[in-house]
Amino acid sequence: SAVISQKPSRDICQRGTSLTIQCQVDSQVTMMFWYRQQPGQSLTLIATANQGSEATYESGFVIDKFPISRPNLTFSTLTVSNMSPEDSSIYLCSVAKGVGTDTQYFGPGTRLTVL
Amino acid sequence: GQQVMQIPQYQHVQEGEDFTTYCNSSTTLSNIQWYKQRPGGHPVFLIQLVKSGEVKKQKRLTFQFGEAKKNSSLHITATQTTDVGTYFCAGPSGTYKYIFGTGTRLKVLA
Repeated sequence: SAVISQKPSRDICQRGTSLTIQCQVDSQVTMMFWYRQQPGQSLTLIATANQGSEATYESGFVIDKFPISRPNLTFSTLTVSNMSPEDSSIYLCSVAKGVGTDTQYFGPGTRLTVL
Repeated sequence: GQQVMQIPQYQHVQEGEDFTTYCNSSTTLSNIQWYKQRPGGHPVFLIQLVKSGEVKKQKRLTFQFGEAKKNSSLHITATQTTDVGTYFCAGPSGTYKYIFGTGTRLKVLA
């Protein structure tokens, strides 16, 4: 398994500002993912964070809005840029230790409210 | 695009009753995973099924992978209040990522 921490756990932000969410894992992992989950909804994959290279974004998500960094095998950040109320959601970091389709371990999430 | 649907969306049961959620994929899956998310919590991995027709049990939970590898089910026998939460199935999309199902929210009435 893997122990994952996310910071901040929650935040309330003003529209037009940006927030950076951090994800820290207690061991080196191959894959790191960022998801968004609207209240009462399923999980939507935003992007895969690649170590040492640009993230791979899913359809509907762009780097200018959600820049992602992954400087090493245990840490990643997701920035939500130029926020609007529609960005209010829970943002989840997940990791998989192996390559290919492997078990995912999720962080506790960051609850973001944009006013 | 690939879709993974679950039914029902919501289920309320009396404690002690059985519960089943069904997961249907628009494409054939190489494997399927199940996760549980408690209210206010994050998804937690339960199990992975790989073989056609596979059945796995975890105490009161029984997981099944369909023969055509396009559907799966999770059955809980004699539900308890600790079973409350949302159950998600997830199917692989490509070589390294998963698409999560729509989820079934279970409420257990004591």
